[in-house]
Amino acid sequence: AQSVTQLGSHVSVSEGALVLLRCNYSSSVPPYLFWYVQYPNQGLQLLLKYTSAATLVKGINGFEAEFKKSETSFHLTKPSAHMSDAAEYFCAVETSYDKVIFGPGTSLSVIP
Amino acid sequence: NAGVMQNPRHLVRRRGQEARLRCSPMKGHSHVYWYRQLPEEGLKFMVYLQKENIIDESGMPKERFSAEFPKEGPSILRIQQVVRGDSAAYFCASSPGQGTAGELFFGEGSRLTVL
Repeated sequence: AQSVTQLGSHVSVSEGALVLLRCNYSSSVPPYLFWYVQYPNQGLQLLLKYTSAATLVKGINGFEAEFKKSETSFHLTKPSAHMSDAAEYFCAVETSYDKVIFGPGTSLSVIP
Repeated sequence: NAGVMQNPRHLVRRRGQEARLRCSPMKGHSHVYWYRQLPEEGLKFMVYLQKENIIDESGMPKERFSAEFPKEGPSILRIQQVVRGDSAAYFCASSPGQGTAGELFFGEGSRLTVL
């Protein structure tokens, strides 16, 4: 069965520093992978998705993620953190029949 | 094009009462998902429905919880005889259907508090 793990439930970075949020997945078939962001008291919104095209995926707000099959990873990065990036980030995988499973989430804090 | 609409946004119930949460998917979307989010926890899958059909309810508690997505009208998540442990944020998401690479569109959630 597909599953998702996110290393680090809380990550703090300084404003302007690199953001790296880790995601590993398990899947018996080539997966569709996603990163979603949740701001306080809101629903989730899609940041980016991998659908077996380019392995480096660019999303909104300057975020990107790289699919590495050999490492079963899909880490999210942003070169320079902004205060507005503070939020909860969820990695997700789609199962073989459209069911989407989410990881436990990583809370990102940005320190001025 | 209106997004996914959930209501009520906040609901307070006493133990033993019933809670009904409604979700209207985006126009043209035929698939609805319900997730539960507890503080400091991620989103837990509950149920996946298409119009008039439950596709996967493997995340639903066996008792007191039910979901439907009728041919007409919103999807309903129903919790009977609520207990304090049911207090959580319940999120609905919709998608156009198969072949759309699983991108989900979320509502803003319904926050249930059980006194």
